[in-house]
Amino acid sequence: EVQLVESGGGLVQPGRSLKLSCAASGFTFSNYYMAWVRQAPKKGLEWVATISTSGSRTYYPDSVKGRFTISRDNAKSSLYLQMNSLKSEDTATYYCARQGKLPGYNYFDYWGQGVMVTVSS
Amino acid sequence: DIRMTQSPASLSASLGETVNIECLASEDIYSDLAWYQQKPGKSPQLLIYNANSLQNGVPSRFSGSGSGTQYSLKINSLQSEDVATYFCQQYNNYPRTFGGGTKLELK
Repeated sequence: EVQLVESGGGLVQPGRSLKLSCAASGFTFSNYYMAWVRQAPKKGLEWVATISTSGSRTYYPDSVKGRFTISRDNAKSSLYLQMNSLKSEDTATYYCARQGKLPGYNYFDYWGQGVMVTVSS
Repeated sequence: DIRMTQSPASLSASLGETVNIECLASEDIYSDLAWYQQKPGKSPQLLIYNANSLQNGVPSRFSGSGSGTQYSLKINSLQSEDVATYFCQQYNNYPRTFGGGTKLELK
């Protein structure tokens, strides 16, 4: 059974940093792209970052580029999101998601339960 | 960026009814379109991928169709457990983008 378990969320002041983790199990982690998707309270879904199987390629939307860094440790089947210079608009539930690596299979087929990040003074 | 416009934003339907949700992409996404269901307080779940392929374990009353820029999700014989918010998402290009969501309630 595929499981994705996020951790590391919490309350952080604007301008500070936070690092999220996602522990994966039930599949061969190194065979899949992985991603982070967030959802602000009562709002829709926003894709935040994607990383390739080896970690050599990363992708971000403009809203977080230069502030967030996605990384992975295939030996530990773990995904990370380093968030720097946090802003109030980064307040959201952050989901770890598995993403297919082949063109045409790049959808998010499994999601974690989510972790809440609140940016406030 | 590819803009995904979903309609309607909210929908009220009766048990057993057929429901349709539309998703319009701002450019051709070549059927690289997924639909997700998010029940209150839960994480999203994949329903449909490649515009019309049913994810394993998803009831057959859900179906997807469309091509080019226009796509739709159909729910036949609405059940109480279908109360949720539905999102479309394109994966043809980065940045990946989602529709604004359709909140489905029972009448």
